Amino acid sequence: NAGVTQTPKFQVLKTGQSMTLQCAQDMNHNSMYWYRQDPGMGLRLIYYSASEGTTDKGEVPNGYNVSRLNKREFSLRLESAAPSQTSVYFCASSDLGQTYEQYFGPGTRLTVT
Amino acid sequence: LAKTTQPISMDSYEGQEVNITCSHNNIATNDYITWYQQFPSQGPRFIIQGYKTKVTNEVASLFIPADRKSSTLSLPRVSLSDTAVYYCLVDANFGNEKLTFGTGTRLTIIP
Repeated sequence: NAGVTQTPKFQVLKTGQSMTLQCAQDMNHNSMYWYRQDPGMGLRLIYYSASEGTTDKGEVPNGYNVSRLNKREFSLRLESAAPSQTSVYFCASSDLGQTYEQYFGPGTRLTVT
Repeated sequence: LAKTTQPISMDSYEGQEVNITCSHNNIATNDYITWYQQFPSQGPRFIIQGYKTKVTNEVASLFIPADRKSSTLSLPRVSLSDTAVYYCLVDANFGNEKLTFGTGTRLTIIP
């Protein structure tokens, strides 16, 4: 089992460019999440998907869109990147009804110049 | 109003027991207490969860007093590899998809 995988590991964008962060899990989990972590801070929830076909906003959704492509994959899109979106992005998944135990990917370090 | 309050940082020597206390004065009846560990350049990892009294697993123990307004994560005989940030979370268990991470406690183990 690979667990939760994320691509790319690192990315540098110019202001205004767009990109999609990919996330996949092989644990047959229903729920998937996207977080961002700014330096020295805790994680903040961007979007989550409780099950295939559903998505909901988290604490900081502005500037992002998500797609739950199937049960395994949950992507995060930045349509027009801004320097304020420089952060480390983590994807996570959990079993239905076991939200407290989330499994995290290794993260994507994004820099917007 | 922050859901949890924990020390920003702690230092401890190898081999000692480390106790990290988290304050959660406004905990609700449905809330569970969960602790995560995060190493540098990695995603957080679930350590332990409890509702009341004491919970123990192979990694740590969690002590929760009767009023549930605080909790203490206990790490026995720490080693250098326990250097990490530890997050205390208070959220409803089932049906609430939104875990709330604070700034955590940065634990440094000294050789």
